[in-house]
Parts: sequence; structure tokens; C-alpha cells
Amino acid sequence: QKEVEQNSGPLSVPEGAIASLNCTYSDRGSQSFFWYRQYSGKSPELIMFIYSNGDKEDGRFTAQLNKASQYVSLLIRDSQPSDSATYLCAVRSSGGYQKVTFGIGTKLQVIP
Amino acid sequence: DAMVIQNPRYQVTQFGKPVTLSCSQTLNHNVMYWYQQKSSQAPKLLFHYYDKDFNNEADTPDNFQSRRPNTSFCFLDIRSPGLGDAAMYLCATSRDTGITEAFFGQGTRLTVV
Repeated sequence: QKEVEQNSGPLSVPEGAIASLNCTYSDRGSQSFFWYRQYSGKSPELIMFIYSNGDKEDGRFTAQLNKASQYVSLLIRDSQPSDSATYLCAVRSSGGYQKVTFGIGTKLQVIP
Repeated sequence: DAMVIQNPRYQVTQFGKPVTLSCSQTLNHNVMYWYQQKSSQAPKLLFHYYDKDFNNEADTPDNFQSRRPNTSFCFLDIRSPGLGDAAMYLCATSRDTGITEAFFGQGTRLTVV
């Protein structure tokens, strides 16, 4: 089982719609969860982080965490063409050496 | 201002010729990571430093080595690059407490000819 799993997509949504991106992880002790956006040929940039169960909102972005189900999601409201990118889910492992592990990323295409 | 700086941005090396990629940070973070990312794949962790403690991933080839002479700098050495080592190499840093997201440099695109 992969440590962090995402559907690679592409996920296509029309402009103005809600994009829903999902991620599951295997390390039940993980405490920190991150969503990065990566444009083609560029390095990842952090857009959201979440530590506690429930929802966390930042502008058009909402991260949702359910530790019991080992599930993290990202909602993007009012999707814009500029949101078209690959969204990487990342998880910081528990234990002494806390490495950050990434999923394969979901490619999002927002259609004008 | 850039906080994690990688040099060079683009590197072309010959098959089998040793190459070194560098990373520096102004954040004073105690954790530094090296990731390899190939096209349409997830960033793959090669190794990371927790202060001076080196942590190698089990599946990182022996061809890849790293050095961290001080808090600010970290180097990735590829002893004998093969064609399969062509990739984007990403350096990242983080704190070990509090908000612990990884901050990335701009990456070094390595081409092996």
C-alpha cells in the first residue's frame, strides 16, 4: 500500500464550479497534512495545511481532515482557469524522524 | 526574497560524470530534504537531515550521496549519473515543531547526456 494515495486525474471542472480533490494515507499516527499546488516545470508551493479533524477554510480553499478514515480532501470553490495545476497531498509521518511524503498528485483542469 | 535557493537551476552532465547540486536556506530550519521528481510522478524522498543526523530512504540508490556541512547548506552528489537519473531535484526545509510544512526551492532540472 502506498503511503499517500491520490487519483492522478485529470479532473476537469467548468470555470466557477467546485473542484474536490481527495487523498488517503496509511500512517495512522500522522499528525500534519498539507496541500501543495505545482504548475508544470515548477516546484510545489504550499496552499493549505491542516492538523485537526474537521474543516479549515482559507479564501476559496477548504481542507477537510478525517483521521479516523485516514482521509484528507481539498475543495476549491469558484474554480478559475489559473487553478489548473497538479495538486499534491503531503503527509508528515509520526515518529522520531518526521519525513514529509507526497502523493502522486491530481491534475486539475478548469475549463473556461 | 528567496528562502530556499537551489543552484544551478539547470544542469547538464555527461553519463557517468559526477555532479553536485547545491541548496541553501535562510530560514534556519533544522530539517532539510532532497526529493527526486520525474515527469508526472510524485516527489520521491531520497534522504533528509534532522540537524546533522542523516536519514537515508531504504530505496535510495548508493549512487546518491548527501552532505550538510552546516545548517544553511546541503549538497546532493550523484557519483555516476545514468540516463535514468534525469529528473527535477527538489530541496526543501522545515522546522521540526509547530507549523512544519516543507518549503521548497525552485528545483534543479538535471539532464544526462
